[in-house]
Amino acid sequence: GENVEQHPSTLSVQEGDSAVIKCTYSDSASNYFPWYKQELGKGPQLIIDIRSNVGEKKDQRIAVTLNKTAKHFSLHITETQPEDSAVYFCAARGKNFVFGPGTRLSVLP
Amino acid sequence: SAVISQKPSRDICQRGTSLTIQCQVDSQVTMMFWYRQQPGQSLTLIATANQGSEATYESGFVIDKFPISRPNLTFSTLTVSNMSPEDSSIYLCSVRLSSYAMDFGPGTRLTVL
Repeated sequence: GENVEQHPSTLSVQEGDSAVIKCTYSDSASNYFPWYKQELGKGPQLIIDIRSNVGEKKDQRIAVTLNKTAKHFSLHITETQPEDSAVYFCAARGKNFVFGPGTRLSVLP
Repeated sequence: SAVISQKPSRDICQRGTSLTIQCQVDSQVTMMFWYRQQPGQSLTLIATANQGSEATYESGFVIDKFPISRPNLTFSTLTVSNMSPEDSSIYLCSVRLSSYAMDFGPGTRLTVL
């Protein structure tokens, strides 16, 4: 079955810097790759996603890139703000959604 | 996106008891799911809640422990039966709105003493 790895597990950046989180997946049949943000005490919220026929997608300060050949995709957050502090999960969807272990991002003011 | 609500939002229960968690969606959805998130961990799919038929459970989860109901296209319940401290987790309802995107409810935070 699908296996999703995510790195780093924790990430601290200064406010205004960029943050990059990387994920790899194992099932070449996976065709949809969402990213979720989970704030303390809340459910995961979809922040951006990408389908397998696209290499990059951007939404304001957030972007996702996908390399299907290498089976990895990355989340890029520019101009980070303290409210970006949260746990971020990547996922890959083949038959079902499989989630990565998460990255705890801390943006230091 | 869908508006998903869960009840209760949190509970503290004694071991050996059962808790039923409700999930309500503001629109009709075909696909509803239940996930478990153990403390500090990722999300693990418990089962797919099928309307009009028995839920489909993932490996490691059984109906006797996690019975699920899905009486219509906007509502589902998950029961955590005969609870032990190892069941302390966040339980999340989710819905798939299209062929791709999935939304989550706010979660139910369960502590078993």
